[in-house]
Amino acid sequence: NAGVTQTPKFRILKIGQSMTLQCAQDMNHNYMYWYRQDPGMGLKLIYYSVGAGITDKGEVPNGYNVSRSTTEDFPLRLELAAPSQTSVYFCASSYRGDQPQHFGDGTRLSIL
Amino acid sequence: QKEVEQDPGPLSVPEGAIVSLNCTYSNSAFQYFMWYRQYSRKGPELLMYTYSSGNKEDGRFTAQVDKSSKYISLFIRDSQPSDSATYLCAMIRDDKIIFGKGTRLHILP
Repeated sequence: NAGVTQTPKFRILKIGQSMTLQCAQDMNHNYMYWYRQDPGMGLKLIYYSVGAGITDKGEVPNGYNVSRSTTEDFPLRLELAAPSQTSVYFCASSYRGDQPQHFGDGTRLSIL
Repeated sequence: QKEVEQDPGPLSVPEGAIVSLNCTYSNSAFQYFMWYRQYSRKGPELLMYTYSSGNKEDGRFTAQVDKSSKYISLFIRDSQPSDSATYLCAMIRDDKIIFGKGTRLHILP
């Protein structure tokens, strides 16, 4: 089982560039999440989705956008990259909101 | 007051020792409790999931929940160097998950 797959694993962007972080899960989970993790700061929720076509903001949504056109995929879009968005990004999924989340191995993003 | 508090460590213990990791929480509405292990450059991996007070055991790992004191613990018996990682507690209320910031654990050979 692949579980939650994130691509790319690493990326360096220049300020002002845009990119999409990909996330796919094969567990038929309804809920999907995007987090960023900075040293000493823990996991911060960016956006989440409770099903195809439904997305909602988390704690730190500014500068990001998401879409959920299928159950399996939940891409995260950075439109105008800023140095403050340098971080490790994790995608996660769960069957329901009261169930544990399963994580991908992250995308390390540096913006210079 | 933060909803979930976790000592960031680092915690260094000799191989073979019993490790105790803890989190406290302030909201009695939390219903489900989890522990995740995160190795360097990897995503968090679910270790334990429980929803009731008391102990749950899985191999060398025991998760303990004390709802009256709003306190959860993870015990690791016969600790190994491969247990060196960051351990995150997590709790769910109203379909919302709150993570602790994690405790860095080093097992010394």
